[in-house]
Order: sequence, then C-alpha cells, then structure tokens
Amino acid sequence: GQNIDQPTEMTATEGAIVQINCTYQTSGFNGLFWYQQHAGEAPTFLSYNVLDGLEEKGRFSSFLSRSKGYSYLLLKELQMKDSASYLCAVMDSNYQLIWGAGTKLIIKP
Amino acid sequence: GAVVSQHPSWVICKSGTSVKIECRSLDFQATTMFWYRQFPKQSLMLMATSNEGSKATYEQGVEKDKFLINHASLTLSTLTVTSAHPEDSSFYICSTRTGDSGEQFFGPGTRLTVL
Repeated sequence: GQNIDQPTEMTATEGAIVQINCTYQTSGFNGLFWYQQHAGEAPTFLSYNVLDGLEEKGRFSSFLSRSKGYSYLLLKELQMKDSASYLCAVMDSNYQLIWGAGTKLIIKP
Repeated sequence: GAVVSQHPSWVICKSGTSVKIECRSLDFQATTMFWYRQFPKQSLMLMATSNEGSKATYEQGVEKDKFLINHASLTLSTLTVTSAHPEDSSFYICSTRTGDSGEQFFGPGTRLTVL
C-alpha cells in the first residue's frame, strides 16, 4: 500500500531551526509537496520537489532523496506565526496526491 | 496561483437535511476539481475527483449517493451532503490544479456541523 510517514508533533523555540522529516512509499513518484495548514484553515502551498536535492525559498527549504523515499522541510529563524501543521504529500504514478497526517509544529517564545 | 473560493465558510444544519457546498475557480478554467474531507487532527482525505461535464470519480468507501458532486461548468463544482448526520460533521475542502503535475490550490474550506 501507499504510505506517508511524518512525526505527529514537534516543538521548537522562536528564532531556532527545525527540520520536519517525511518518508514515503508510493506506487510511482511524480513529485513531493509540502503544505502549511493553520488551524481551521485550508492548506497553503510551500514547496515542490521532483528532483533530488535542496530547494531553498526564503526561510523555508525542502530536500528530497528519491532513492531513500525521504524528504525534509527545514524552517529557519522560526517565528510564532510558523506554528501550524505541515503536510507532506506525494503525487503517485496516477497523478493522485497521497497525504501524510501532518506534523503539528509548536513554537515557544 | 489559482484562486479558489468556497461557499459557505461554515454551516450548521439539523440531522436529515441536505447541505450544498460550492467551489469556484475564480481566475482559470478548472477541468478537474478535488473534494477533500478532514476530521480534527487528521490528514486530508480525498473524497472524489470532479470532472467538468462528466461523472465524478469517488474514492473507495465514499458513498456517491450521499455525497453528490456536480461539475456543471469549468469554474464551478458543487458537493451536496444529502441526509446529513452528525458523523458527517467535518471540514470540507475543494481544490484544483494547473495541469496533471501542478500544485493544488485549495479553497478556504467549509466547516459543516450537523446537530
């Protein structure tokens, strides 16, 4: 079956760096997405990786290793507004998105 | 990116009634829209894929007679929850995407509470 694993919850301090990992097993691969979702709101797009390596976008970076079925989202200079759930999703061979359960990130002052 | 709207943002209804949720693509023509359901502290669950001018494709375990989807135009898809029950209370989100491999753009979601 298809499976996306990510930690349920993480806690970090304002101003610090946090890495959220995601491992996946899917039937085919057409890219991996990271979305941010604040409580009670719809997800918003953060990043898309389809080739191995690191994609940097401001304070957020996303890494992909297709051979390992692994990705991480790196958040730098954490701000209180970064408190949210972070969803990892993989697009399979049928171009369907398979979603992880999300990682709730708690930022403490 | 694409702008997607949903209406209503939240709705409370009595058990046994039907509720219609609209999803509109505001700035481009969406041949495909997706309907998701999300229970508290759980991941998004794809309910169905809505294709303009044809029948929706439902995921396993989703009752197509209960969750009626109509994609009558390239900018509008509707989800009707028929004979709603308290267990249907959830956050319903629609999305669309630009091309097969593009990112998905989500509507703001509709929170349904069935009393």
